Amino acid sequence: DTAVSQTPKYLVTQMGNDKSIKCEQNLGHDTMYWYKQDSKKFLKIMFSYNNKELIINETVPNRFSPKSPDKAHLNLHINSLELGDSAVYFCASSQGTSTGELFFGEGSRLTVL
Amino acid sequence: GEDVEQSLFLSVREGDSSVINCTYTDSSSTYLYWYKQEPGAGLQLLTYIFSNMDMKQDQRLTVLLNKKDKHLSLRIADTQTGDSAIYFCAAAPGGSYIPTFGRGTSLIVHP
Repeated sequence: DTAVSQTPKYLVTQMGNDKSIKCEQNLGHDTMYWYKQDSKKFLKIMFSYNNKELIINETVPNRFSPKSPDKAHLNLHINSLELGDSAVYFCASSQGTSTGELFFGEGSRLTVL
Repeated sequence: GEDVEQSLFLSVREGDSSVINCTYTDSSSTYLYWYKQEPGAGLQLLTYIFSNMDMKQDQRLTVLLNKKDKHLSLRIADTQTGDSAIYFCAAAPGGSYIPTFGRGTSLIVHP
């Protein structure tokens, strides 16, 4: 039973398209995150939601819009994809914000052509 | 903001000790973490150390923290081929628990 699952694992698309990556966790956690791992392997936080409320929004283009329909889901929608958006996107969750123990999904590799 | 640096690759023989090093920039970092990523899997927390500690040992893992130099290391004793993975160092700046990650060190263990 996968604790944090992301779909799709791989996504290849053309510049200018709009795409979504979905994330679900079955751990009962109330905090979820999106991280981006770029080609140089830096893993940077993009967003964090606690109880469906946005608590962290790093400097990310507003083409990226997270949506949390409930505590178990945090989806990432990206409009007007650009080449520089190619990366591996990781979803994670934690029990509250007073912990650095994050549980990660396997990542979604996005390739923009 | 916090920057975390670590070397990208480490190769060791099975049975030897591995030492993975990391430096961070924010002296207010309260929690420092080591995560492990196996092929095709997400990152998993291995261990963490609070900034008022110098050392933490957990079975084959030893974490050393030099707060003055902002240097963290992870030692794996009796390294096994199953330890081959990417190891990420992470630091949480003061007042936050949310980790800022380094680029990860690929540990390759030769039989």
